[in-house]
Amino acid sequence: DAKTTQPPSMDCAEGRAANLPCNHSTISGNEYVYWYRQIHSQGPQYIIHGLKNNETNEMASLIITEDRKSSTLILPHATLRDTAVYYCIVRVAWDNTGKLIFGQGTTLQVKP
Amino acid sequence: EAQVTQNPRYLITVTGKKLTVTCSQNMNHEYMSWYRQDPGLGLRQIYYSMNVEVTDKGDVPEGYKVSRKEKRNFPLILESPSPNQTSLYFCASSLSRTGGVATQYFGPGTRLLVL
Repeated sequence: DAKTTQPPSMDCAEGRAANLPCNHSTISGNEYVYWYRQIHSQGPQYIIHGLKNNETNEMASLIITEDRKSSTLILPHATLRDTAVYYCIVRVAWDNTGKLIFGQGTTLQVKP
Repeated sequence: EAQVTQNPRYLITVTGKKLTVTCSQNMNHEYMSWYRQDPGLGLRQIYYSMNVEVTDKGDVPEGYKVSRKEKRNFPLILESPSPNQTSLYFCASSLSRTGGVATQYFGPGTRLLVL
Protein backbone atom coordinates (compact mmCIF):
# COMPACT_ATOMS: atom_id res chain seq x y z
CA ASP A 1 0.00 0.00 0.00
CA ALA A 2 1.10 3.51 -0.76
CA LYS A 3 2.44 5.36 2.26
CA THR A 4 1.48 8.76 0.93
CA THR A 5 -1.60 10.92 0.62
CA GLN A 6 -2.03 13.37 -2.23
CA PRO A 7 -4.97 15.48 -3.39
CA PRO A 8 -6.61 13.83 -6.40
CA SER A 9 -6.46 16.90 -8.60
CA MET A 10 -5.17 20.45 -8.85
CA ASP A 11 -5.27 23.27 -11.36
CA CYS A 12 -2.55 25.76 -12.12
CA ALA A 13 -2.34 28.72 -14.46
CA GLU A 14 0.32 28.56 -17.13
CA GLY A 15 3.44 30.44 -16.10
CA ARG A 16 2.61 30.28 -12.40
CA ALA A 17 4.22 28.03 -9.82
CA ALA A 18 2.53 24.70 -9.21
CA ASN A 19 2.79 23.49 -5.62
CA LEU A 20 1.88 19.84 -5.18
CA PRO A 21 1.56 18.61 -1.57
CA CYS A 22 2.17 15.15 -0.23
CA ASN A 23 1.59 13.75 3.25
CA HIS A 24 3.77 10.91 4.49
CA SER A 25 3.25 10.93 8.23
CA THR A 26 4.60 7.40 8.77
CA ILE A 27 7.88 7.92 6.93
CA SER A 28 10.88 6.16 8.47
CA GLY A 29 14.29 7.68 9.00
CA ASN A 30 15.85 5.79 6.10
CA GLU A 31 13.08 6.44 3.60
CA TYR A 32 13.37 8.92 0.79
CA VAL A 33 10.67 10.97 -0.89
CA TYR A 34 10.59 10.45 -4.65
CA TRP A 35 8.47 12.25 -7.21
CA TYR A 36 7.56 10.85 -10.60
CA ARG A 37 5.05 12.04 -13.15
CA GLN A 38 3.13 10.36 -15.92
CA ILE A 39 1.98 12.33 -18.92
CA HIS A 40 -1.12 10.81 -20.47
CA SER A 41 -0.27 7.07 -20.50
CA GLN A 42 3.41 7.62 -21.26
CA GLY A 43 6.02 5.93 -19.10
CA PRO A 44 6.47 7.47 -15.66
CA GLN A 45 9.27 10.04 -15.53
CA TYR A 46 11.53 10.67 -12.58
CA ILE A 47 11.46 14.26 -11.31
CA ILE A 48 13.35 14.57 -8.05
CA HIS A 49 14.02 12.91 -4.71
CA GLY A 50 15.13 13.93 -1.22
CA LEU A 51 15.80 12.60 2.24
CA LYS A 52 15.51 15.57 4.57
CA ASN A 53 17.06 18.59 2.90
CA ASN A 54 15.32 20.64 0.27
CA GLU A 55 16.39 19.76 -3.24
CA THR A 56 16.33 21.53 -6.57
CA ASN A 57 17.10 20.40 -10.09
CA GLU A 58 16.33 21.64 -13.56
CA MET A 59 12.78 20.36 -13.41
CA ALA A 60 11.54 21.16 -9.92
CA SER A 61 12.17 21.87 -6.27
CA LEU A 62 11.32 19.60 -3.37
CA ILE A 63 10.57 21.07 0.02
CA ILE A 64 10.47 18.61 2.93
CA THR A 65 9.19 19.72 6.32
CA GLU A 66 11.51 19.51 9.27
CA ASP A 67 9.57 16.60 10.79
CA ARG A 68 9.58 14.92 7.35
CA LYS A 69 5.89 14.16 7.57
CA SER A 70 5.02 16.10 4.47
CA SER A 71 6.60 17.58 1.39
CA THR A 72 5.80 19.86 -1.53
CA LEU A 73 6.89 19.55 -5.13
CA ILE A 74 7.24 22.91 -6.80
CA LEU A 75 7.21 23.43 -10.56
CA PRO A 76 8.35 27.06 -10.68
CA HIS A 77 6.84 28.08 -14.02
CA ALA A 78 4.26 25.54 -15.09
CA THR A 79 3.64 25.02 -18.80
CA LEU A 80 0.89 23.15 -20.60
CA ARG A 81 3.33 20.27 -21.06
CA ASP A 82 3.45 19.84 -17.29
CA THR A 83 -0.14 18.58 -17.30
CA ALA A 84 0.25 15.09 -15.89
CA VAL A 85 -0.37 12.79 -12.95
CA TYR A 86 2.23 13.40 -10.25
CA TYR A 87 3.17 10.63 -7.88
CA CYS A 88 4.80 11.04 -4.49
CA ILE A 89 6.53 7.82 -3.41
CA VAL A 90 8.17 7.04 -0.11
CA ARG A 91 10.63 4.19 0.08
CA VAL A 92 14.15 3.24 1.10
CA ALA A 93 16.90 4.11 -1.34
CA TRP A 94 17.04 0.61 -2.74
CA ASP A 95 15.49 -2.66 -1.67
CA ASN A 96 15.48 -6.26 -2.85
CA THR A 97 12.74 -5.73 -5.42
CA GLY A 98 13.39 -2.23 -6.71
CA LYS A 99 9.64 -1.88 -6.81
CA LEU A 100 8.05 1.56 -6.88
CA ILE A 101 4.59 1.72 -5.33
CA PHE A 102 2.55 4.26 -7.20
CA GLY A 103 -0.52 5.54 -5.38
CA GLN A 104 -3.32 7.43 -7.05
CA GLY A 105 -1.26 10.59 -7.48
CA THR A 106 -2.37 14.13 -8.17
CA THR A 107 -3.67 15.06 -11.60
CA LEU A 108 -2.28 18.49 -12.35
CA GLN A 109 -4.08 20.45 -15.03
CA VAL A 110 -2.16 23.46 -16.29
CA LYS A 111 -4.52 25.93 -17.91
CA PRO A 112 -3.74 28.70 -20.39
CA GLU B 1 20.34 9.26 -25.90
CA ALA B 2 19.75 7.22 -22.75
CA GLN B 3 16.50 5.38 -23.14
CA VAL B 4 14.35 2.33 -22.59
CA THR B 5 12.60 1.06 -25.70
CA GLN B 6 9.66 -1.30 -25.97
CA ASN B 7 8.20 -3.12 -28.94
CA PRO B 8 5.56 -3.30 -30.09
CA ARG B 9 3.90 -0.15 -28.81
CA TYR B 10 0.44 -1.43 -29.64
CA LEU B 11 -0.73 -4.99 -30.06
CA ILE B 12 -4.07 -6.65 -30.62
CA THR B 13 -4.09 -10.42 -30.32
CA VAL B 14 -6.39 -13.33 -29.60
CA THR B 15 -6.64 -15.57 -26.59
CA GLY B 16 -3.98 -18.26 -26.50
CA LYS B 17 -1.64 -16.88 -29.13
CA LYS B 18 1.82 -16.60 -27.63
CA LEU B 19 3.42 -13.18 -27.77
CA THR B 20 6.58 -11.43 -26.64
CA VAL B 21 7.00 -7.79 -25.73
CA THR B 22 10.61 -6.71 -25.99
CA CYS B 23 12.38 -4.25 -23.73
CA SER B 24 15.84 -2.88 -24.27
CA GLN B 25 17.94 -0.28 -22.45
CA ASN B 26 21.17 1.39 -23.52
CA MET B 27 22.35 2.59 -20.12
CA ASN B 28 24.17 -0.55 -18.97
CA HIS B 29 21.73 -0.90 -16.09
CA GLU B 30 21.78 -4.03 -13.97
CA TYR B 31 18.16 -3.77 -12.84
CA MET B 32 15.13 -4.14 -15.08
CA SER B 33 11.47 -4.57 -14.28
CA TRP B 34 8.03 -4.96 -15.84
CA TYR B 35 4.85 -3.25 -14.63
CA ARG B 36 1.29 -3.33 -15.82
CA GLN B 37 -1.09 -0.42 -15.39
CA ASP B 38 -4.82 -0.83 -15.13
CA PRO B 39 -7.51 1.77 -14.34
CA GLY B 40 -8.10 2.02 -10.62
CA LEU B 41 -5.27 -0.37 -9.81
CA GLY B 42 -2.27 1.77 -10.62
CA LEU B 43 1.06 0.27 -11.64
CA ARG B 44 1.80 -3.21 -10.40
CA GLN B 45 5.11 -4.98 -10.70
CA ILE B 46 5.07 -8.22 -12.72
CA TYR B 47 8.69 -9.40 -12.70
CA TYR B 48 12.07 -7.89 -12.04
CA SER B 49 15.70 -8.75 -12.68
CA MET B 50 18.67 -7.66 -10.63
CA ASN B 51 21.17 -8.78 -13.26
CA VAL B 52 21.77 -11.23 -16.10
CA GLU B 53 20.21 -14.63 -15.40
CA VAL B 54 18.66 -13.32 -12.16
CA THR B 55 14.89 -12.82 -12.26
CA ASP B 56 12.18 -12.85 -9.64
CA LYS B 57 8.44 -12.50 -9.32
CA GLY B 58 6.78 -9.24 -8.54
CA ASP B 59 3.24 -8.79 -7.28
CA VAL B 60 1.33 -10.10 -10.30
CA PRO B 61 3.47 -12.69 -12.13
CA GLU B 62 0.74 -15.17 -13.05
CA GLY B 63 0.50 -15.74 -16.80
CA TYR B 64 3.84 -14.11 -17.56
CA LYS B 65 7.40 -15.24 -18.10
CA VAL B 66 10.61 -13.28 -18.48
CA SER B 67 14.21 -13.96 -19.37
CA ARG B 68 17.43 -12.02 -18.92
CA LYS B 69 20.10 -13.49 -21.13
CA GLU B 70 21.74 -10.16 -21.89
CA LYS B 71 22.12 -7.11 -19.73
CA ARG B 72 20.32 -4.78 -22.12
CA ASN B 73 17.26 -6.93 -22.89
CA PHE B 74 14.38 -8.09 -20.71
CA PRO B 75 11.53 -9.55 -22.79
CA LEU B 76 8.08 -10.21 -21.34
CA ILE B 77 6.49 -13.40 -22.60
CA LEU B 78 2.81 -14.25 -22.53
CA GLU B 79 2.63 -17.95 -23.35
CA SER B 80 -1.16 -18.09 -23.57
CA PRO B 81 -2.64 -14.60 -23.31
CA SER B 82 -6.08 -14.13 -21.83
CA PRO B 83 -8.42 -11.12 -21.89
CA ASN B 84 -7.52 -10.23 -18.29
CA GLN B 85 -4.01 -9.48 -19.52
CA THR B 86 -5.33 -6.59 -21.57
CA SER B 87 -3.39 -3.73 -20.10
CA LEU B 88 -0.74 -1.05 -20.52
CA TYR B 89 2.73 -2.47 -19.90
CA PHE B 90 5.85 -0.60 -18.89
CA CYS B 91 9.43 -1.72 -18.71
CA ALA B 92 11.83 0.07 -16.38
CA SER B 93 15.54 -0.02 -15.73
CA SER B 94 17.95 1.30 -13.12
CA LEU B 95 21.41 1.01 -11.76
CA SER B 96 21.15 -1.38 -8.85
CA ARG B 97 22.71 0.26 -5.86
CA THR B 98 22.15 -1.40 -2.56
CA GLY B 99 22.09 1.35 0.02
CA GLY B 100 22.08 4.05 -2.60
CA VAL B 101 19.41 5.94 -4.46
CA ALA B 102 18.71 4.71 -7.96
CA THR B 103 16.56 6.59 -10.43
CA GLN B 104 14.35 4.37 -12.53
CA TYR B 105 13.80 5.00 -16.22
CA PHE B 106 10.62 3.83 -17.86
CA GLY B 107 9.89 2.82 -21.42
CA PRO B 108 7.09 4.41 -23.47
CA GLY B 109 4.63 1.59 -22.81
CA THR B 110 2.98 -1.21 -24.76
CA ARG B 111 -0.78 -1.22 -25.01
CA LEU B 112 -2.05 -4.78 -25.31
CA LEU B 113 -5.56 -5.89 -26.18
CA VAL B 114 -6.37 -9.60 -25.90
CA LEU B 115 -9.63 -10.60 -27.58
